[in-house]
Amino acid sequence: NAGVTQTPKFQVLKTGQSMTLQCAQDMNHNSMYWYRQDPGMGLRLIYYSASEGTTDKGEVPNGYNVSRLNKREFSLRLESAAPSQTSVYFCASSEALRGLMGAANEQFFGPGTRLTVL
Amino acid sequence: RKEVEQDPGPFNVPEGATVAFNCTYSNSASQSFFWYRQDCRKEPKLLMSVYSSGNEDGRFTAQLNRASQYISLLIRDSKLSDSATYLCVVLRANAGKSTFGDGTTLTVKP
Repeated sequence: NAGVTQTPKFQVLKTGQSMTLQCAQDMNHNSMYWYRQDPGMGLRLIYYSASEGTTDKGEVPNGYNVSRLNKREFSLRLESAAPSQTSVYFCASSEALRGLMGAANEQFFGPGTRLTVL
Repeated sequence: RKEVEQDPGPFNVPEGATVAFNCTYSNSASQSFFWYRQDCRKEPKLLMSVYSSGNEDGRFTAQLNRASQYISLLIRDSKLSDSATYLCVVLRANAGKSTFGDGTTLTVKP
């Protein structure tokens, strides 16, 4: 099993360009997440998908869109990149189900995409 | 106030030392708690879950204090390989998502 895979690993964009970050998991997980991590900081949730067919905003959704293409794949799109979106982007997945109280749900992370917007 | 707060450190300790990290959370509805480890330029990986009764895994011990809303991680007999950033994570299951602290950096020196 590959776990969680992300493409690309590195990307440089010019301000105003668009791109889509791809994420796939082969663990049959229900929930998937997109985070960004800026230097010296923890992870901030951009969007998440509790289950196939649903997506919800996280802490910092502005400037991003997501698509839960199927149970395996969850993509993140930057429509018009800005220098403030320079960051490392991590995709993660877990078995978590919305409303399942008290569940301990380990999140498995992909290797990250290092994005620079000039 | 951040939902999850950690002392950023850095903690610089000699090999063999015991070191403890604390993490506080503000939402009393929080239900599950974790410590993740993140090596430089790598993805976070689960170190251990934190249970109400406390739990131990080798040199690592995690404790939860719901009344005071904090969790702790104790590392005994530190190894050079323990050098990393340790992230505190809090889950509210009814919200379906986790909140990460900013991390505490540990450097273990020979």
